[in-house]
Amino acid sequence: NSKVIQTPRYLVKGQGQKAKMRCIPEKGHPVVFWYQQNKNNEFKFLINFQNQEVLQQIDMTEKRFSAECPSNSPCSLEIQSSEAGDSALYLCASSPGHSNERLFFGHGTKLSVL
Amino acid sequence: GDSVTQTEGPVTVSESESLIINCTYSATSIAYPNLFWYVRYPGEGLQLLLKVITAGQKGSSRGFEATYNKETTSFHLQKASVQESDSAVYYCALGGPNSGTYQRFGTGTKLQVVP
Repeated sequence: NSKVIQTPRYLVKGQGQKAKMRCIPEKGHPVVFWYQQNKNNEFKFLINFQNQEVLQQIDMTEKRFSAECPSNSPCSLEIQSSEAGDSALYLCASSPGHSNERLFFGHGTKLSVL
Repeated sequence: GDSVTQTEGPVTVSESESLIINCTYSATSIAYPNLFWYVRYPGEGLQLLLKVITAGQKGSSRGFEATYNKETTSFHLQKASVQESDSAVYYCALGGPNSGTYQRFGTGTKLQVVP
């Protein structure tokens, strides 16, 4: 069973609404990744963190997406104003932080924007 | 760019038959690619099946094997005799040697093993 905990499992929002999802990485894992998996099963990397610091982020130029991994709190991904095209499975993964490491995934949050 | 292409599914195989799921990769910004196969069983999260970090090496797990071929830029997944319990979605992924390098995933191959 996955030890990366994502909540909620399902999220339904109207267009323009805020959508927020959370992730608790596996204990002791300092590196956290967020991916978006769309209806065509394509994975899109969004952002990753090492501890609280952003390592890389891609394609958040619309600024509707924001993410953080505060100390002693779950990581979160928030969409300020949801659009229909944001409907997807949002996957959080963590890693022990060593090189060549596998990712440990949560079950994901399935976002539906109506 | 860096990308992964794999067999489009769904793939249906009879129990005890052999299986190959093709995966090819393109690594233009990753100098020393690492290759992974992940699997998502029904109702479960994505989990690692096997990984290989050195070209020419073979990885194996649960009867599955994959060889990292740098010449053909391939990492095909094979199993000699599948079981119903192997029914799942399989994802090939490309990563780098640094802990923060994000992995690139294929779009998955849904495998259905029938009795």
